Amino acid sequence: AQRVTQPEKLLSVFKGAPVELKCNYSYSGSPELFWYVQYSRQRLQLLLRHISRESIKGFTADLNKGETSFHLKKPFAQEEDSAMYYCALTLAAGGTSYGKLTFGQGTILTVHP
Amino acid sequence: EAGVTQSPTHLIKTRGQQVTLRCSPISGHTSVYWYQQALGLGLQFLLWYDEGEERNRGNFPPRFSGRQFPNYSSELNVNALELEDSALYLCASSLDGSSYNEQFFGPGTRLTVL
Repeated sequence: AQRVTQPEKLLSVFKGAPVELKCNYSYSGSPELFWYVQYSRQRLQLLLRHISRESIKGFTADLNKGETSFHLKKPFAQEEDSAMYYCALTLAAGGTSYGKLTFGQGTILTVHP
Repeated sequence: EAGVTQSPTHLIKTRGQQVTLRCSPISGHTSVYWYQQALGLGLQFLLWYDEGEERNRGNFPPRFSGRQFPNYSSELNVNALELEDSALYLCASSLDGSSYNEQFFGPGTRLTVL
């Protein structure tokens, strides 16, 4: 079965410092990887996905199939980045989606002024 | 454009009772997903409906069931409630069932079982 591991429950950095949220997954195939974010009093929303290869709000994530990792990075953290971050994967095989997202346990990021 | 809506916001039930949670997807979305977020267990996939059919089911007992209506809204039913069913239940919708489509989440229904 597939699994997503986020080793850090809590991560604290100061404004302007680099930040890296770790995500490792276990799955022998080729999953789709996502980062979701939940800001205080807001609903869960997509931050970015690996197939888009885009930078959102200064965040990037590179899929490393050799290390089965999808770490989220930002060179200069801002206070408004404080939130809960979830790494997630979904599977598709032979053109058929299994629909479900498998989530990690989440990392609470706090950016101090 | 309105996002995914869920009702009710909060619900308190006692053990053994039955509960129905409701979800309205974003207009034009045909896929609806249900997730459970219990304390200490993270977000767990429950059910996926697309075009009125159940497409996939998570590792939950049969007392968790649901359906999707012709207008693509969905209900989640939980029978014989147990204390450990206390959780936030999230509904999400996507354009269709493709793995490439973003899932948009609702605000959730907080269920407390006493």
